[in-house]
Amino acid sequence: DARVTQTPRDKVTEMGQEVTMRCQPILGHNTVFWYRQTMMQGLELLAYFRNRAPLDDSGMPKDRFSAEMPDATLATLKIQPSEPRDSAVYFCASGSLVPNTEAFFGQGTRLTVV
Amino acid sequence: AQSVAQPEDQVNVAEGNPLTVKCTYSVSGNPYLFWYVQYPNRGLQFLLKYITGDNLVKGSYGFEAEFNKSQTSFHLKKPSALVSDSALYFCAVSRQDTDKLIFGTGTRLQVFP
Repeated sequence: DARVTQTPRDKVTEMGQEVTMRCQPILGHNTVFWYRQTMMQGLELLAYFRNRAPLDDSGMPKDRFSAEMPDATLATLKIQPSEPRDSAVYFCASGSLVPNTEAFFGQGTRLTVV
Repeated sequence: AQSVAQPEDQVNVAEGNPLTVKCTYSVSGNPYLFWYVQYPNRGLQFLLKYITGDNLVKGSYGFEAEFNKSQTSFHLKKPSALVSDSALYFCAVSRQDTDKLIFGTGTRLQVFP
């Protein structure tokens, strides 16, 4: 059963530390999304990639966040340095424009910055 | 630019009654519309989508949605609600020429026994 895998599931870190979240998209999907979910802001699109190329990262704070796809099986979201306001659940999703496949979500990484 | 509005933070309905969760969208060009459901501490699960064709779309767990181009709406419906339908529901939109997927703020559905 194909699924999107995110690691870690939970992360507690101290303010100022670097955080790296990883995502393994579904094999064959060429689009990968990173979303952040908070009570106040709902589900925000941070960045997305097609065929490993970043298409839009306008939702991401550029000074501390970075997103990459080193290869087709791995997407990473990095925060350096982390701040308490970054505490949220971060979701990765993958899909495919052709043939209009819906996005499949991972279980998320719950980040707590203290 | 794309955007989605879910005007209700919460919808309450009695078990067995019909339910509607509202969604309106704004997008240039032809929209692709989606509904997802999220249970506590879980990721989002796909329910249904409208790409083209019949305006009434049927999806998982007895849910359906109607695409209304003139009203730019894509409301989620179910004829008879179950307590187990209680969850957070998200509407999302993308466009024909891009797979950028934008979500609404979500609507919490509470079904009372």
